Amino acid sequence: GAVVSQHPSWVICKSGTSVKIECRSLDFQATTMFWYRQFPKQSLMLMATSNEGSKATYEQGVEKDKFLINHASLTLSTLTVTSAHPEDSSFYICSASRGNDSPLHFGNGTRLTVT
Amino acid sequence: SQQGEEDPQALSIQEGENATMNCSYKTSINNLQWYRQNSGRGLVHLILIRSNEREKHSGRLRVTLDTSKKSSSLLITASRAADTASYFCATGGTNAGKSTFGDGTTLTVKP
Repeated sequence: GAVVSQHPSWVICKSGTSVKIECRSLDFQATTMFWYRQFPKQSLMLMATSNEGSKATYEQGVEKDKFLINHASLTLSTLTVTSAHPEDSSFYICSASRGNDSPLHFGNGTRLTVT
Repeated sequence: SQQGEEDPQALSIQEGENATMNCSYKTSINNLQWYRQNSGRGLVHLILIRSNEREKHSGRLRVTLDTSKKSSSLLITASRAADTASYFCATGGTNAGKSTFGDGTTLTVKP
């Protein structure tokens, strides 16, 4: 089946630094990927839709200058948390789909801790 | 409120029993998906049921969809301790892959 790889699985960084998270679709081309944030015992909150070759579409309330998304190829999307603060600590997950009417394939998530 | 709301929020059963989780949604959908999430991991797709389908099976899983009531259910038969996880439903619209997730049902299966 389809596999989406997300890296790193966890990262600890100091306040004020930036962190990059990668999401790769390993066996299919993904023109669209999705980035989510999940708080403990809560659902996934869609942050943005990453579009290959164009700007990402951000959900309401998500700061695009804070969470930079780059989708430079059909198999790779990156999320950069810029100038991270402790409140950015969370579980970030990416997903990709083959297209309409297809299920989402998820990465294993990245646990970000900002100290 | 969120599209896709699961019920119950938490469910605890003994191994061997069946577990039923429900999902309600508000708007028209193209499909509805069920996912499983083990603690600290990504989601794993279980079943996708299209709006013109009423029931779908996969192993010990059975999903039903009632578009007139805007609801779906996930039945896990003969549960095992390894089924312990959170289960989410997600509704798919016309936007490629963009689905809206419910708050999930946390299932605990006691050995």
